[in-house]
Amino acid sequence: AQSVTQPDIHITVSEGASLELRCNYSYGATPYLFWYVQSPGQGLQLLLKYFSGDTLVQGIKGFEAEFKRSQSSFNLRKPSVHWSDAAEYFCAVGYGGATNKLIFGTGTLLAVQP
Amino acid sequence: EAGVAQSPRYKIIEKRQSVAFWCNPISGHATLYWYQQILGQGPKLLIQFQNNGVVDDSQLPKDRFSAERLKGVDSTLKIQPAKLEDSAVYLCASSLEGLLVGTQYFGPGTRLTVL
Repeated sequence: AQSVTQPDIHITVSEGASLELRCNYSYGATPYLFWYVQSPGQGLQLLLKYFSGDTLVQGIKGFEAEFKRSQSSFNLRKPSVHWSDAAEYFCAVGYGGATNKLIFGTGTLLAVQP
Repeated sequence: EAGVAQSPRYKIIEKRQSVAFWCNPISGHATLYWYQQILGQGPKLLIQFQNNGVVDDSQLPKDRFSAERLKGVDSTLKIQPAKLEDSAVYLCASSLEGLLVGTQYFGPGTRLTVL
């Protein structure tokens, strides 16, 4: 069965430090992978997505993610975190072929300290 | 371009009462989704519409939840009667790509508290 694992429930980083959020997936075929961000009281905003091609994907707000098939991972990175990046981050895998469905991980809550 | 609209933003009810949520997707998006997000968890798909037809409602608790999408645009999700465990954020999303895997755009959600 398809699944997404985000092993870190909560991460705290200092402003200006680098960030890496981990995501591992389980899916039998070529995955479609997404990262969404959710600020308090807001819906989910798409940061970036991977469908095919270059395994290093650039997104909005300076985020990037790298698809590694051998490790079944799609980790999210940012070289320098800003206080406004504090939010919850969700990794998701799209599946179904003929049906556009997403399975989400449990999320990683990012705190940024000054 | 306007995003996905949802109302109300917050709702507090007592158990066994009924409640309804409304969603207006992005114009032209044929596919509409309702998700349930319980505190500390990722969103879980409840039901998926393609135009006004149901594609997947396998995770919808049909004894108490119902949803419709008349005319293939707006959608309503109803809970009757509500239980304590229904306390969650209900997210609506829409997609342009139809049934092929594509980007889903989310509304701000409705936070439901059942007392």
